[in-house]
Amino acid sequence: KAGVTQTPRYLIKTRGQQVTLSCSPISGHRSVSWYQQTPGQGLQFLFEYFSETQRNKGNFPGRFSGRQFSNSRSEMNVSTLELGDSALYLCASRGTGGSSYNEQFFGPGTRLTVL
Amino acid sequence: GIQVEQSPPDLILQEGANSTLRCNFSDSVNNLQWFHQNPWGQLINLFYIPSGTKQNGRLSATTVATERYSLLYISSSQTTDSGVYFCAVVGSNYKLTFGKGTLLTVNP
Repeated sequence: KAGVTQTPRYLIKTRGQQVTLSCSPISGHRSVSWYQQTPGQGLQFLFEYFSETQRNKGNFPGRFSGRQFSNSRSEMNVSTLELGDSALYLCASRGTGGSSYNEQFFGPGTRLTVL
Repeated sequence: GIQVEQSPPDLILQEGANSTLRCNFSDSVNNLQWFHQNPWGQLINLFYIPSGTKQNGRLSATTVATERYSLLYISSSQTTDSGVYFCAVVGSNYKLTFGKGTLLTVNP
């Protein structure tokens, strides 16, 4: 099975712009979660989507949003970028059956730099 | 929310040495995973271990859920084991809460 894929891998934006990141989960997985990793805050949960519905949300401002499509692919959008949004954004997918249904698998990440 | 503490924060070893990384968590969990973050940032799954003991080659892990801790053992360490090791847990929702990680450096 192919793993979780994320595009683009690297992105440079300027303050005030918006950005859209994409994540394709492992085939058959219906849950997609997004995480932000920064040197200061570590790895933090952004949100989770399951069957096109946001099921869980972390403590981030409304500038961070996401959606999931019927094929389980997910996008996350950050509007009005700030310097502090520079981070590695990781996407994870999770199966929904079997003995390890809670296990999450991560993509390679998108490294966003805001100038 | 659940708190996750990892120790030690940094560990320097000579190649061939053994090590133990610890993860303490503050509440009962439905899931515990250990990851190794490679130099390019990807989190590589090592173990899915909400309880019990598992082994995979030179690595093994034990989670004692009733005492709220997990241990990751690395035996006969190699330079390629270098990197950051994360413990992450899931509580009553499906959100992974991560510890701050252990930075392992294995010198030749």
